Amino acid sequence: QVQLKESGPGLVKPSETLSVTCSVSGFSISSAYYWGWIRQSPEKGLEWIGSISNSGNTFYNPSLKSRLTISLDTSTNQFSLNLSSVTAADTALYYCVRRIVGTLGGFDAFDIWGQGTMVTVSS
Amino acid sequence: DIQMTQSPTSLSASLGDRVTITCRASQSISNYLNWYQQRPGKAPKLLIYAASSLQSGVPSRFSGGGSGTEFFLTISSLQPEDFATYFCQQSYTAFTFGPGTKVDVK
Repeated sequence: QVQLKESGPGLVKPSETLSVTCSVSGFSISSAYYWGWIRQSPEKGLEWIGSISNSGNTFYNPSLKSRLTISLDTSTNQFSLNLSSVTAADTALYYCVRRIVGTLGGFDAFDIWGQGTMVTVSS
Repeated sequence: DIQMTQSPTSLSASLGDRVTITCRASQSISNYLNWYQQRPGKAPKLLIYAASSLQSGVPSRFSGGGSGTEFFLTISSLQPEDFATYFCQQSYTAFTFGPGTKVDVK
């Protein structure tokens, strides 16, 4: 079965770049679907960060776009998130997700989630 | 941005109860509405997609409906594993989530 697992730094200093990687097993990320990131914090709840298609097209949350890069590494079957110039507001539990878009009208959802990795921004 | 609201914020219920949660969008989103369940310490799990379609493996006691700006999630007979927080999420324009509804034991 398809599984996603995040790995991250745990702690990042303000103004630095947050980098989190998602390792995918059970499916080749270059074959299909979109792959993305969602974060969760008590202050903001669940927040969509961005997605990347299996062919490398990216879609970013406009509020984060200027600081965000999502990339695909098909050789290792991983995808990554880089968020620059972080502040305490970026402290959150970061989830990697699979986004599935179906032929049925309205079918566009996050059907598989990783377990999440906590990232704290603090000096 | 499309804003999502949910009501109630929390509810207390007993085993076997019928529970309904409402989700509203700030503008029409057709049927681009999904529901997720999140148990403590776990990632959200997709329950319902396209407003009313049951995700594979999800028990039939869960159902969803609505279109446009108002949607609902119903649990027909509450089971022990259903005490959790439920989120709605729109995928009509980008993606935004509701604030969640916590279902706990009465």
